[in-house]
Amino acid sequence: AQTVTQSQPEMSVQEAETVTLSCTYDTSESDYYLFWYKQPPSRQMILVIRQEAYKQQNATENRFSVNFQKAAKSFSLKISDSQLGDAAMYFCAYRSRTSGTYKYIFGTGTRLKVLA
Amino acid sequence: DTGVSQNPRHKITKRGQNVTFRCDPISEHNRLYWYRQTLGQGPEFLTYFQNEAQLEKSRLLSDRFSAERPKGSFSTLEIQRTEQGDSAMYLCASSVDRDPLTFGSGTRLTVV
Repeated sequence: AQTVTQSQPEMSVQEAETVTLSCTYDTSESDYYLFWYKQPPSRQMILVIRQEAYKQQNATENRFSVNFQKAAKSFSLKISDSQLGDAAMYFCAYRSRTSGTYKYIFGTGTRLKVLA
Repeated sequence: DTGVSQNPRHKITKRGQNVTFRCDPISEHNRLYWYRQTLGQGPEFLTYFQNEAQLEKSRLLSDRFSAERPKGSFSTLEIQRTEQGDSAMYLCASSVDRDPLTFGSGTRLTVV
């Protein structure tokens, strides 16, 4: 069974600085999707960025980028020029593309604090 | 379409009562998911539907939980004989094709 691990329960970053959130996963599959979702306090979960495993190029979305290391099964999120609005819980998630299931598996999350 | 809609937003119930939550997905989305989230934790998979078919259900889910999506549109999640351990945020999400999940705002259940 696939698992997703986020080993940093909480991280802090100074406004305008860069922070990296870690995620590792375990799977025997070769084709899958990885995601980072953001959940602001008392607000709904929104997608930050997606990576397709067959693509070697790391995904980027404005200030957000990932470091996808397929062999190491690592998928970290880098937030550049951190803003106060980035403060939230961040969840890493996995979804198979080949096993016939569309189930998403989430990690336990990392709480990001942004210091003014 | 304004996104995934969940009702009610909050529900307080007494232990032993039954509760039902509703989720209206984005209209063109054929897959609908239910997750449970406790404070400070990640979403825990409960079940998902493709159209009206329930394709997968968590083995962690007791028989007190049941979900339906009768016409492949909205879905309901019912919890029978609620227990204090059922207190959580219940999240609904939907998707189509290769698109990622779009979440609703959730229903917060408190069992007293």
